[in-house]
Amino acid sequence: GDSVTQMEGPVTLSEEAFLTINCTYTATGYPSLFWYVQYPGEGLQLLLKATKADDKGSNKGFEATYRKETTSFHLEKGSVQVSDSAVYFCALTGSSNTGKLIFGQGTTLQVKP
Amino acid sequence: DAGVTQSPTHLIKTRGQQVTLRCSPKSGHDTVSWYQQALGQGPQFIFQYYEEEERQRGNFPDRFSGHQFPNYSSELNVNALLLGDSALYLCASNQQGDTDTQYFGPGTRLTVL
Repeated sequence: GDSVTQMEGPVTLSEEAFLTINCTYTATGYPSLFWYVQYPGEGLQLLLKATKADDKGSNKGFEATYRKETTSFHLEKGSVQVSDSAVYFCALTGSSNTGKLIFGQGTTLQVKP
Repeated sequence: DAGVTQSPTHLIKTRGQQVTLRCSPKSGHDTVSWYQQALGQGPQFIFQYYEEEERQRGNFPDRFSGHQFPNYSSELNVNALLLGDSALYLCASNQQGDTDTQYFGPGTRLTVL
């Protein structure tokens, strides 16, 4: 079945460092891909999305490119801030086309001043 | 424009009891999905409601049931609570046909003692 695998955390970076969080997926068909962010004690917020191969999603300095050939959707940011500390989830829409989201296990990012 | 709202925020129950969680979708949205997020894990899809009917269901036992009302709001019911049902329950909404744009509520934290 469809699945998402993220790099294990926690990831600890200094402020202004470069961030990469790896995400690979297994899916039938052509899913849409997402990154969601969860701040402590809160629900999920959509960070960015890409709906077809080679699309690049971007928001708030974060970017991810839909790579069908490597089945990947890695999240990157050139310069992280302390306020980026959160849990990041990679997700895809399942093959049923109903919008059911399948999530990875999440990667905790901690940015130190 | 109010986003997705959920109630209550926190809930404590004992094993064997029953619980009802509530969700109001974002204005203009007609589809509601429920997810269970155990501590340190990614959200798991429970089910989705559209036109007051369960449209799709994840791998959850029949103890988990739901309902959607004519105003598109939804309830999640869990019977015969187990310790393992302790989790953050998230509601997401979208417009039918726009499955790539889902908004999540802040969640209900359920603790089963």
